[in-house]
Amino acid sequence: GAGVSQTPSNKVTEKGKYVELRCDPISGHTALYWYRQSLGQGPEFLIYFQGTGAADDSGLPNDRFFAVRPEGSVSTLKIQRTERGDSAVYLCASSVLETGELFFGEGSRLTVL
Amino acid sequence: EDQVTQSPEALRLQEGESSSLNCSYTVSGLRGLFWYRQDPGKGPEFLFTLYSAGEEKEKERLKATLTKKESFLHITAPKPEDSATYLCAIRPLFGGATNKLIFGTGTLLAVQP
Repeated sequence: GAGVSQTPSNKVTEKGKYVELRCDPISGHTALYWYRQSLGQGPEFLIYFQGTGAADDSGLPNDRFFAVRPEGSVSTLKIQRTERGDSAVYLCASSVLETGELFFGEGSRLTVL
Repeated sequence: EDQVTQSPEALRLQEGESSSLNCSYTVSGLRGLFWYRQDPGKGPEFLFTLYSAGEEKEKERLKATLTKKESFLHITAPKPEDSATYLCAIRPLFGGATNKLIFGTGTLLAVQP
């Protein structure tokens, strides 16, 4: 497709489980971002990739969160030992070079029971 | 601390009733201010980028303006399809390699026919 694709669209898991969220950016976009959005809040920055490397991971809340982008295209956000407070919509976005014009996917809604 | 405050939190308008949304920001240096639109269950959709005080951008019934302290999104003669959450974000000038955006909590606009 032409847009940013995120899977799964919904994920329900139990506290303590491991979760992976996948993002397929727009072809040719070198920059990729992960944001987290809680109900009634704006998106909160997690991590930014330029190519294969994480240029800024300052938004990752703790070491249970990790993201990779091994070939400079698809990215996976990994969350270990999930907690109820991790419940949110995880948004992925991509852009051409370093601009603020981000193209967002529809998000992965994570619910931790 | 870099931050964004949007007001009002929610706004209800009659079709054709023009109004403005406010975005106040504090930042050590501004590399850009952005407006996004977000429909329920969707990711944010880019609307405008503003770079310097005095700049204005227009798109259909929307016009965005920027001063050194705030930005306004003016909506002229709105239609029901303009109903959405409008998000404002800033891109700080300083902070190394980061390209992160700092979002406000948004204004939920409802336009009634």
